[in-house]
Amino acid sequence: DAKTTQPPSMDCAEGRAANLPCNHSTISGNEYVYWYRQIHSQGPQYIIHGLKNNETNEMASLIITEDRKSSTLILPHATLRDTAVYYCIVRESKGYTGNQFYFGTGTSLTVIP
Amino acid sequence: DSGVTQTPKHLITATGQRVTLRCSPRSGDLSVYWYQQSLDQGLQFLIQYYNGEERAKGNILERFSAQQFPDLHSELNLSSLELGDSALYFCASSNRPSSYNEQFFGPGTRLTVL
Repeated sequence: DAKTTQPPSMDCAEGRAANLPCNHSTISGNEYVYWYRQIHSQGPQYIIHGLKNNETNEMASLIITEDRKSSTLILPHATLRDTAVYYCIVRESKGYTGNQFYFGTGTSLTVIP
Repeated sequence: DSGVTQTPKHLITATGQRVTLRCSPRSGDLSVYWYQQSLDQGLQFLIQYYNGEERAKGNILERFSAQQFPDLHSELNLSSLELGDSALYFCASSNRPSSYNEQFFGPGTRLTVL
């Protein structure tokens, strides 16, 4: 699975968009980009995933560059409850094995009132 | 609430002891994953089961073992415990072994080894 690089920490003002970058320059064609977040010591929570196209759901938007070497998670209107560690994960599905996620160090997002 | 349950929430024990952590996946999910999160190592994948069979192994120590039962709940057994085993242990489940979809994580079991 490809490695990812994320900034260790970011701040965002409440109500503004939070843009969290992720570099995955060694990503291969069949690897997906996943985003999870972990609030304090709770279990990680799925946010969104994508392969090539931009994706949007009720939580966030995922923008993947055309060359797929980087992506950005966008929380459109950050709230205090979005303060968490955000993990960008690149993963290939390997059939019946190797479907585990490898979490890096993530980005600690602090939403400021 | 992810639908994944883990018991106990907290566990305090002594070095050399053995403990069992339990996980019940979401209804209908066949795949269970175990992860360990310690302060210095971050979230580490341990092992995966699908419908009772082991499917993948990660950084799991030989002192640790797991199994998935016919009712699909899973147990993680940790033996000869050391201080360094103190960590949060998470279980996750998904609905297919090769799922491109999300894994749902439980609330975790916090293990403290004294």
